[in-house]
Amino acid sequence: SQELEQSPQSLIVQEGKNLTINCTSSKTLYGLYWYKQKYGEGLIFLMMLQKGGEEKSHEKITAKLDEKKQQSSLHITASQPSHAGIYLCGAPRVDSNYQLIWGAGTKLIIKP
Amino acid sequence: EPEVTQTPSHQVTQMGQEVILRCVPISNHLYFYWYRQILGQKVEFLVSFYNNEISEKSEIFDDQFSVERPDGSNFTLKIRSTKLEDSAMYFCASARGSPYEQYFGPGTRLTVT
Repeated sequence: SQELEQSPQSLIVQEGKNLTINCTSSKTLYGLYWYKQKYGEGLIFLMMLQKGGEEKSHEKITAKLDEKKQQSSLHITASQPSHAGIYLCGAPRVDSNYQLIWGAGTKLIIKP
Repeated sequence: EPEVTQTPSHQVTQMGQEVILRCVPISNHLYFYWYRQILGQKVEFLVSFYNNEISEKSEIFDDQFSVERPDGSNFTLKIRSTKLEDSAMYFCASARGSPYEQYFGPGTRLTVT
C-alpha cells in the first residue's frame, strides 16, 4: 500500500528563522496537497501541486514537487507565530481514482 | 469564494444512537467525499460519491455507514449505531472535475459517549 512519510515529525523554530518540511511518497506522486491544521480542528488548504517540478508560493510559504524523488517540500521563510500548527501533506493514491492518502503531519512550534 | 460547509460543528451522541452529519459541497462540484481523523491520527478516506452512487469506499466504511445526496445541495453521512471508536473529526470534501482537486469543509467533531 502507498504511504506518505513526513519529516520531521515535529519542529521547534525560533521566530524569524526559515524551515523546511518534507513529504515523501512510497509510490509515484500524481499531485500533492499541503494543508495546515490546528490540533483537533479543520484543514486549511495551503497549496496544491500537480506537475513534477512545479513550485508555488503564497506569502512566505513555498512548496515544490519533485516527481523523480517522489517528494514534496514546504519551505517557510522568516517564520512567525501564526505559522505554528500541524502541516499535513495529502496525495492521490496511485491505485485509486478518488482517494487521498495522508501523511501523519509535522507539528511546528514557533519560539518567540 | 465558494466553500464547503458542514453541520453541526460538534455532535455528542450516546453509543448505539444514529447520527447524521451534513455537508453542503461547492455548488458546481460533482465528486463528494467523506474522510475522518481520529484525534492524533492520520486523516483516513471513508467514501467517495459520484453520479448519485458510491464510487469507492474504504474498509472502514462498513454497513453501519451510509451516504446520501437527498437533494441538489446536501451530502450526508449516516452512522446507524455509533460506537465509541467512531469518535473522530469527520471531513467532507468536494471536487468539480478532476477527482484530485478536493476542497475540504471545516469538519464535524463527533464524540460518542
